[in-house]
Parts: sequence; C-alpha cells; structure tokens
Amino acid sequence: AQTVTQSQPEMSVQEAETVTLSCTYDTSESNYYLFWYKQPPSRQMILVIRQEAYKQQNATENRFSVNFQKAAKSFSLKISDSQLGDTAMYFCAFMNPMAGTALIFGKGTTLSVSS
Amino acid sequence: NAGVMQNPRHLVRRRGQEARLRCSPMKGHSHVYWYRQLPEEGLKFMVYLQKENIIDESGMPKERFSAEFPKEGPSILRIQQVVRGDSAAYFCASSPRGGYEKLFFGSGTQLSVL
Repeated sequence: AQTVTQSQPEMSVQEAETVTLSCTYDTSESNYYLFWYKQPPSRQMILVIRQEAYKQQNATENRFSVNFQKAAKSFSLKISDSQLGDTAMYFCAFMNPMAGTALIFGKGTTLSVSS
Repeated sequence: NAGVMQNPRHLVRRRGQEARLRCSPMKGHSHVYWYRQLPEEGLKFMVYLQKENIIDESGMPKERFSAEFPKEGPSILRIQQVVRGDSAAYFCASSPRGGYEKLFFGSGTQLSVL
C-alpha cells in the first residue's frame, strides 16, 4: 500500500525567509502524481503545486517550488520569501492513477510565519 | 463561479442520531469525492461518485455510512446512528472530469457527536 510521510509536525520561519517542508512516500509504481495542499485556518484545502512523476523537471508556482527526487521517493516543498499569509497546515499527497483517483495524504506540517 | 459549497459548516449530533452532510460541486463538475479528516490527521478518502453512480467506495465504512449524488441536487453523505468516533471534519471535492484533474475542495463540515 502507498504511504505518505511528513516528518515535521511543526515548522516556523520569519517573513521573507525560505523554508523547506519534507515529504517522503512509498510506492512500487513508476507513474503517479504528487501534490502539496495548503489548509489555512479557514479549513479550505487549496492546491499549491502538482508534480507528475514522469516529468523530471521540478514544478514551480511563483514562490513555491518542489524538489522531486524520484529514486529517493522524496518530494519536498520550498517556500521562498515567506509571507504571513503562508501560515497554514501543509499536506503532501500522492495519487496512483492505476489504483483509482483517491488522494493519499500525509499527516501534515503546521507552518507558522512570523514578522 | 461559486466554489464547492458544503453545508452545514458545523453540525452537532447526539449519539444515535443521523447526520446528513451536503455538497454542491462547482458548476459543470460531475465528479464528487468525500474525504474525512480526524484531529491531527491528514484527509482520508471515503468515496468517489459521478452523477447517479458510486465509482469507488473503498474508503467508506461498511456500516452506517452511505453517499449519493443524484441527477439533480447536491451530493449527500449520510451517517446513521452516529458515534463519538464519527466526530471529524468531512470534506467534499469536485472535478470536471475526474481522474487527474485538479480537485476543488469545499471548506468542510465539522461534525461533533456529543
């Protein structure tokens, strides 16, 4: 069974600094999708970034980028120039298209950005 | 274009009562997913529905839980005879075509069982 592990329950960073959130996963598949979702206090899940495993190039979305290491099964999220609005819970998620469309989520990392 | 609408936002039930959670997907979306989030946990998949069909219910408890997505109206997640362990946030997500499309999540319903 696929699993997703986020080893950092909590992290904190100062405004304008860079922070990296870790995620590892376990799968025997070669084709899959990886996601980072943000859950602010409003509770709504917001897609931050998406990576397709067959694409070697790391995905980027403005201040958010990933370091996708397929052999190591690692998918970390880097947030550059952190802003107060980045304060939220961040979830890493995995999807195996051969096993349906369900997302498998990690337990999350709570990120606090302070001024 | 309104997002995924879930109601109620908070629902309180006593043990043994029924809970009905509603989800209206984004306009034009015919695929709906339900997830449950327990305290200090990530979201866990429950069920995937298309209009009038259950596609994947592998994450749904076998008893007391049911889901539907009728031709007209919102998707409903129904929990009969609730127990304290059902207390959680229940999220609905929708997508236009299912599969690998971006999912749009609602803000969830927080169910508290007294």
